[in-house]
Amino acid sequence: NAGVTQTPKFRVLKTGQSMTLLCAQDMNHEYMYWYRQDPGMGLRLIHYSVGEGTTAKGEVPDGYNVSRLKKQNFLLGLESAAPSQTSVYFCASSLGGSLETQYFGPGTRLLVL
Amino acid sequence: SQQGEEDPQALSIQEGENATMNCSYKTSINNLQWYRQNSGRGLVHLILIRSNEREKHSGRLRVTLDTSKKSSSLLITASRAADTASYFCAARDTGGFKTIFGAGTRLFVKA
Repeated sequence: NAGVTQTPKFRVLKTGQSMTLLCAQDMNHEYMYWYRQDPGMGLRLIHYSVGEGTTAKGEVPDGYNVSRLKKQNFLLGLESAAPSQTSVYFCASSLGGSLETQYFGPGTRLLVL
Repeated sequence: SQQGEEDPQALSIQEGENATMNCSYKTSINNLQWYRQNSGRGLVHLILIRSNEREKHSGRLRVTLDTSKKSSSLLITASRAADTASYFCAARDTGGFKTIFGAGTRLFVKA
């Protein structure tokens, strides 16, 4: 039982390049989330999903797209990376419902030059 | 702006002392959670307190919630060097599926 895994662990991009971050969970959780964490700030929600085939915007969705084609996977895409997207990205999942605990992946460090 | 805000931003104590961190939030919540993050790692859930609860314990952790003041506190008793980490509160609002995290308190426990 690996929990929540993220790929890649670290990536360097040039401005304007695109990439996809992959999140996978093996806990059969309904809900999945993408956050970004910047120095001195808490986690900010980018997008989330409440089930396979669904996605919704969080606090800071601009510049990102997501897809949840399979229940266990949640993909975060950057179509045209900008230096402001340099951050640490965390994926999380939860069973669902209002009292759920979120389980986090180890994070992906992204540097956009 | 973020819903959860922790106070203090940083705290340095000796091993064996107690550490208290506070969190304030802005809207009505369903529950409030505390997470720990070790350097370079993901967040780990510590404890959840529901909006109709006032206090909760888990091992050396004690959490209180005052919904009238929109605040919560996390107390770690008899701290250990291994407790060194950042601690975040996360408020789950009643309106939707989102949990809003604060900026965190960095705790350093000196051996």
